[in-house]
Amino acid sequence: GEDVEQSLFLSVREGDSSVINCTYTDSSSTYLYWYKQEPGAGLQLLTYIFSNMDMKQDQRLTVLLNKKDKHLSLRIADTQTGDSAIYFCAESVDNFNKFYFGSGTKLNVKP
Amino acid sequence: NAGVTQTPKFQVLKTGQSMTLQCAQDMNHNSMYWYRQDPGMGLRLIYYSASEGTTDKGEVPNGYNVSRLNKREFSLRLESAAPSQTSVYFCASSEVGGSGYTFGSGTRLTVV
Repeated sequence: GEDVEQSLFLSVREGDSSVINCTYTDSSSTYLYWYKQEPGAGLQLLTYIFSNMDMKQDQRLTVLLNKKDKHLSLRIADTQTGDSAIYFCAESVDNFNKFYFGSGTKLNVKP
Repeated sequence: NAGVTQTPKFQVLKTGQSMTLQCAQDMNHNSMYWYRQDPGMGLRLIYYSASEGTTDKGEVPNGYNVSRLNKREFSLRLESAAPSQTSVYFCASSEVGGSGYTFGSGTRLTVV
């Protein structure tokens, strides 16, 4: 399968910005996604970006895509304790028939 | 509420037992998927169905079978459960066009 890499843990203080990073290998990716998983729950789509875009902003979330380096990041502004969760990066390949996920980054927000 | 429904939510099996995990979606999506989630390994695709009547293997299909019963339902069967199949299983559906998956809430399976 395709390789989607993420760091496993990130710890920040409430009110700070969080930046979660992801690298991928398939240059033919069409869309790249960020999902959030809270304990005991399924994955919830947070945002996605088309591969010909550099940036997408959605309220407190900013996605940056560097297609040359195959690097995707998710910035959460003014991080809150409710943002504590596991965040997964994913890419779609093969005309959306397959999605490949990273191993997830566990974000811990300290009060 | 519209979404993906998985049953059961929890299951304990003995080695060698069989069971079927059920999944249904009411969003009229064409594509459906089964993933397993293991600590530190993210989600790995077991099988997918791009449309009613078709199924294809994903990254880790061994030990599993699937049935796309109709457009709404996609089941995952373990014929002879093994401890290595202890995992959390997620069903998902999607529509063509990049809007991503809708996930079910998962089935936590333990094989002893």
